Amino acid sequence: DVLMTQTPVSLPVSLGGQVSISCRSSQSLVHSDGNTYLHWYLQKPGQSPQLLIYRVSNRFSGVPDRFSGSGSGTDFTLKISRVEPEDLGVYYCLQSTHFPPYTFGAGTKLELK
Amino acid sequence: EVQLVESGGGLVQPGRSLKLSCAASGFTFSDYNMAWVRQAPTKGLEWVASISYGGSNTHYGDSVKGRFTISRDNAKSTLYLQMDSLRSEDTATYYCARPMYTTDYYYPNWFAYWGQGTLVTVSS
Repeated sequence: DVLMTQTPVSLPVSLGGQVSISCRSSQSLVHSDGNTYLHWYLQKPGQSPQLLIYRVSNRFSGVPDRFSGSGSGTDFTLKISRVEPEDLGVYYCLQSTHFPPYTFGAGTKLELK
Repeated sequence: EVQLVESGGGLVQPGRSLKLSCAASGFTFSDYNMAWVRQAPTKGLEWVASISYGGSNTHYGDSVKGRFTISRDNAKSTLYLQMDSLRSEDTATYYCARPMYTTDYYYPNWFAYWGQGTLVTVSS
C-alpha cells in the first residue's frame, strides 16, 4: 500500500499569512494514464471533510484562489495565502492512483499562533 | 444539490453487529461508485470500503475485511455498511462519500461529496 506522509503535524499561522503543507508518497502517484491522483481536503472543527484540490492543482468548485496545489511524482505541496479564520482546521492529502486502497495522510492541523 | 445522509450509528457491544445506511439525493445514485470512510475520535481519515455503481465490485480496507460488507440498493438510492464482529477499534464516525465523476470502478477517482457522518461506539 502507498504510505502518505504529511508534514508538519501542526502549523501555527497568523491571519493574513501564508503557509505550505507537504505531502509525500512512498511511491510515484503518476498513473498509467499520465495523470496524478493526489488530492487535498480540509476538515473544519465539527464538520465533514471538504474537497479543496483534486489531481494536484485543480481547485474544486467554490474553493478560493488563495488555495493552490503543486508537485509531481512523490512530492506535493498545498499552499494557502492570506489565511482567513475559516481556513483553520485539519488538512489531509489523499492518493487514489493506487486503488485499492485509498490512502490518506495523517493530517496537518492549521491553527492560530 | 448532492445530499448524503447517514444513519444507523449508536452504541453497540463488542462482537455485535450494526448496519449503517446512507440515503443519497440530488444525483443519479446508480451512476456512481460509492464509499465509506471513517474517522476514529481525534484521529485521521481511513477508507473503509468501496462499491461499484452496479454493486458487482467491492473492496475493503484490511482492518475491516471479512467483518464488514458494503452494499447498495439503487432503487432506493441507498448505500449500506453491514458491520459484524465489531471491535472497540471500530469506534468512529462513519462517512458516506461520493466521487467527483462517474467512472469505471477501477479508474482513479476521489471523494468530492461527503455526508455529515454517523457515530458508532463499540463498548461494553
